[in-house]
Amino acid sequence: ETGVTQSPTHLIKTRGQQVTLRCSSQSGHNTVSWYQQALGQGPQFIFQYYREEENGRGNFPPRFSGLQFPNYSSELNVNALELDDSALYLCASTRQGYGDEQFFGPGTRLTVL
Amino acid sequence: ELKVEQNPLFLSMQEGKNYTIYCNYSTTSDRLYWYRQDPGKSLESLFVLLSNGAVKQEGRLMASLDTKARLSTLHITAAVHDLSATYFCAVNNDMRFGAGTRLTVKP
Repeated sequence: ETGVTQSPTHLIKTRGQQVTLRCSSQSGHNTVSWYQQALGQGPQFIFQYYREEENGRGNFPPRFSGLQFPNYSSELNVNALELDDSALYLCASTRQGYGDEQFFGPGTRLTVL
Repeated sequence: ELKVEQNPLFLSMQEGKNYTIYCNYSTTSDRLYWYRQDPGKSLESLFVLLSNGAVKQEGRLMASLDTKARLSTLHITAAVHDLSATYFCAVNNDMRFGAGTRLTVKP
């Protein structure tokens, strides 16, 4: 148990819809990162938030957006869903300055039909 | 563009044997991470290596980092079935992950 939770665990959407995924970090962890992991591949970095501001972004289009809240929770929003967005979405929380070890949540499996 | 390459991608071992997984990366980085992932599960942090020459050990796993060679290794000693999983290395900056090494330990 890492103390990081995600909801929902599974989700099915259709192409063109919008989705919001949620993550609750460990208390005191001021940084949250989101990753997309397609089946059989390594996780790909989407973006990172530090103290409620975006602090780095991977090679993902603007329809992937996020928010971080003062209570250590965060959201990943994806607009105009595409079939290729089907993946496991992972969030990871970090307490910066303490080795930057990331603690991953269990993930949300998104299927786009 | 930062590239992280792991090899081998698939590894089948006999119990009791030793083996090493390699992680090469293409640009300077000040830290390297190793993770384990069981099928259908999330990632478990194994090691964080913060400096050149760093070596960390936990049970049958030992990780090392050579920043000059841009190489990290994950050495498995006397493998047991419970070590069967996919192992990822990841490099700092934008947390670029390798493709993973799928390890199967057979009796």
